[in-house]
Amino acid sequence: DVKVTQSSRYLVKRTGEKVFLECVQDMDHENMFWYRQDPGLGLRLIYFSYDVKMKEKGDIPEGYSVSREKKERFSLILESASTNQTSMYLCASNQGSARSFSGNTIYFGEGSWLTVV
Amino acid sequence: KNEVEQSPQNLTAQEGEFITINCSYSVGISALHWLQQHPGGGIVSLFMLSSGKKKHGRLIATINIQEKHSSLHITASHPRDSAVYICAVSQGAQKLVFGQGTRLTINP
Repeated sequence: DVKVTQSSRYLVKRTGEKVFLECVQDMDHENMFWYRQDPGLGLRLIYFSYDVKMKEKGDIPEGYSVSREKKERFSLILESASTNQTSMYLCASNQGSARSFSGNTIYFGEGSWLTVV
Repeated sequence: KNEVEQSPQNLTAQEGEFITINCSYSVGISALHWLQQHPGGGIVSLFMLSSGKKKHGRLIATINIQEKHSSLHITASHPRDSAVYICAVSQGAQKLVFGQGTRLTINP
């Protein structure tokens, strides 16, 4: 089975801290994604990557950066955490040719609940 | 207006009932996904379809491309089916647009 593993399920961080959320997938997928999910707003795309060292902004990239040094690992970085970044963060991956998403099942991690105080 | 609309937003039913969740979309798509999210957060992909109908166990998903509409059906519903069901459409190039989800509760 495809597995997308997020390193932390629950985190509490202080305002201004640098936060790293790690995601690893074990199926050699090209595409990896970071979403956040908030009540009433649904899932929103923060960043995605379609290859090692490649990244593209999603719908809400402000306040976030990402790193993809290895194909299996995609990290989300909050440079200076703020309370409005309290949310549930979901990593996902799927097989895909460069820049083409369609036609491939997407696999999600279990989610990381981040609270910024 | 959201590009992907689901109905109903909440649904409560008794065990054994036939369940239907609807998804309408207003954009051109390359595929439609049905996802299931249990309490605790993790999301599982149930179906991905671009035409016709797919079946997996007690779950059936249909799509009508001309009408821009999809349905997810659950036969012989069970309390373990209680979850949030999310419809999402892909528009090519890494873009998934999500519906708001339908919270399903199946009572024993």
